[in-house]
Amino acid sequence: GAGVSQSPSNKVTEKGKDVELRCDPISGHTALYWYRQSLGQGLEFLIYFQGNSAPDKSGLPSDRFSAERTGGSVSTLTIQRTQQEDSAVYLCASSPTRGGTDTQYFGPGTRLTVL
Amino acid sequence: SQKIEQNSEALNIQEGKTATLTCNYTNYSPAYLQWYRQDPGRGPVFLLLIRENEKEKRKERLKVTFDTTLKQSLFHITASQPADSATYLCALLDGSYKLIFGSGTRLLVRP
Repeated sequence: GAGVSQSPSNKVTEKGKDVELRCDPISGHTALYWYRQSLGQGLEFLIYFQGNSAPDKSGLPSDRFSAERTGGSVSTLTIQRTQQEDSAVYLCASSPTRGGTDTQYFGPGTRLTVL
Repeated sequence: SQKIEQNSEALNIQEGKTATLTCNYTNYSPAYLQWYRQDPGRGPVFLLLIRENEKEKRKERLKVTFDTTLKQSLFHITASQPADSATYLCALLDGSYKLIFGSGTRLLVRP
């Protein structure tokens, strides 16, 4: 079956531009997560969705970052006025229900480079 | 402050040997701990989950231990193969859904 997909796979942008990153979770998964992974680092939690609601946005680094999820499915992470420190791989994951023992299934990530 | 530490140096071993990776944590009391494998350019893939009341969990050539007194988990791959070469991440459940990841340890298995 289809796994988690993300697009684009690579994005190069200029400092100050806005970018949108898309995540298509596994069908039927109610929980969706966004993480950021900088070179040689672990995954940094950004935001968690349960259905279309985001009960935990605590990991978003600044107000330039926002995310939404529609129809309990596709999610978009938007970064406004990108900065060079935003360069990283952005990973999306989904799980059948909320956390606990649920495995998180990850997409391949979007590599963002801000010049 | 809360911390998860994995050895940042790559572990380089000979094919057929047992690889042992370490995950230490401080200021957490996780109910679960998970191990993931990550290949270059890919997202992490779930391997094993161990609960706080379990001392050991096995899956094929993989074994995970969880010592809540030492605040440590060990991840073993027996009879290692070059295909096992990857980065291995440990992750703790913080609360009911949030996974906190270590930075990972890269394993290289020489033929």
